[in-house]
Amino acid sequence: QAQLVESGGGLVKPGGSLRLSCAASGFKFSDYAMSWIRQTPGKGLEWLSHIGYGLTTIYYAESVKGRFAISRDNAKNSLYLQMNSLRVEDTGIYYCVRDRKQFAPSDWFDPWGQGTLVIVSS
Amino acid sequence: EIVLTQSPATLSLSPGERATLSCRASQSVDISLAWYQHKPGQAPRLLIYDASTRATGIPARFSGSGSGTDFTLTISSLEPEDFAVYYCQQRTNWITFGGGTKVDIK
Repeated sequence: QAQLVESGGGLVKPGGSLRLSCAASGFKFSDYAMSWIRQTPGKGLEWLSHIGYGLTTIYYAESVKGRFAISRDNAKNSLYLQMNSLRVEDTGIYYCVRDRKQFAPSDWFDPWGQGTLVIVSS
Repeated sequence: EIVLTQSPATLSLSPGERATLSCRASQSVDISLAWYQHKPGQAPRLLIYDASTRATGIPARFSGSGSGTDFTLTISSLEPEDFAVYYCQQRTNWITFGGGTKVDIK
């Protein structure tokens, strides 16, 4: 059974950095595109970033482009999100999600992790 | 950006009743729409994709319909475990989500 477990959230000051991790199990991680999605009080659910299964495609939402960086380590079955220059409005729950389909992404997300909470506050 | 508007914001129903949830897109997304269920403290779950295809393991009481700009998620007879928040998502122009419909117990 596919499972995703996020870690790395916490309290950080505006302008600070955090690195989120997502440990995948129960499926062949290297065969799937992965994304990060967050839920914030201001914007609800917001897709942030996508990385292809072969690491050749990476996309970002405009709201995080230049501040966040997605990466993956297929040998460790892990997905990461490096978040820099954090703002108060970045506060929310961050979800690691897998694409529903192997290889060519469908942009339907299944499964989701339970999320990790990021609070940006002085 | 394609804006998805869900209605109603809250739907108060009793177990056994039929739930009808709406999602309207600001421009056509053809059938590129999905529905997710989210319960407090749990991971969101994919219910429906491509507007009407049930995801693996999803009970038949969940059905999706629509195309273009107007979509509906129907739960034919509410079970106690179906009380949750439901979100729609489109993938035609980047990826956006609706604001959600909370289905709570009347």
